[in-house]
Amino acid sequence: EAQVTQNPRYLITVTGKKLTVTCSQNMNHEYMSWYRQDPGLGLRQIYYSMNVEVTDKGDVPEGYKVSRKEKRNFPLILESPSPNQTSLYFCASSLEGVRYNSPLHFGNGTRLTVT
Amino acid sequence: AQTVTQSQPEMSVQEAETVTLSCTYDTSESNYYLFWYKQPPSRQMILVIRQEAYKQQNATENRFSVNFQKAAKSFSLKISDSQLGDTAMYFCAFSGSQGGSEKLVFGKGTKLTVNP
Repeated sequence: EAQVTQNPRYLITVTGKKLTVTCSQNMNHEYMSWYRQDPGLGLRQIYYSMNVEVTDKGDVPEGYKVSRKEKRNFPLILESPSPNQTSLYFCASSLEGVRYNSPLHFGNGTRLTVT
Repeated sequence: AQTVTQSQPEMSVQEAETVTLSCTYDTSESNYYLFWYKQPPSRQMILVIRQEAYKQQNATENRFSVNFQKAAKSFSLKISDSQLGDTAMYFCAFSGSQGGSEKLVFGKGTKLTVNP
C-alpha cells in the first residue's frame, strides 16, 4: 500500500531534550516536506526537500533541522525543543513538487507536546 | 506572497442538505493549482478535490464540486447530500506553478459539522 509513515504518533517530552520524528514514503517520490498545524493558523511549511541531499527552508524553519540522505526518508529533528514547538506535525510527499498531477500525500501526523 | 482566506471558521448543515465552504486567495500568477483537503477527527489529511487554474471547467468528485471563479480569485467547495462522515475540518490550499511549486499555502480551515 502506498503511504507516508510517520513515527511516533504521539510524543511528550521536556524542554531541551533532543528528539527526532521519522518520516518514510514508499512511493519513490522526489519531493518531501514537513508542516506544522496549529489552531487558527492552518498548516505551515517547516522544511522541504526536492531530492536526496537537497533541502530548503519553508515558512517556519526556526528550531528545526531535517536531512535527506535517502530518497524514502525525511526525518525532522528538534535539537532543543521548546514549549512553542508543541504542535501537530505532518510529513508529506509528492512525485515532484506540488502540482495538479502531483498532489501531496500526507502521513497521519505526530502530536508533539513539549513541557 | 500568496495567501489563502477561509472566512467561515465553523459551519453546520443538516444531513442530506447542501453546504458551500468559501475560499479566496491572492496571487499574481496566471497558472496555479488549488486543492481542498478534509481532516476528520482521525486528523488524517485527505485530498477531496483539485483544480488547475487554466482549466476553466469546475472540478467534480462525486458529491463534491467546486465553483472556481478565476477573476474573483474564489474557489468554493460545495458538498451535496451531506453525510455524517463529512464532519471534518476542511482546508483550502494553493500552490503556484512557478519555481517548482515547493509548498502548499493553506487557509486556516473551516470546521464543518453535519447534524443528523
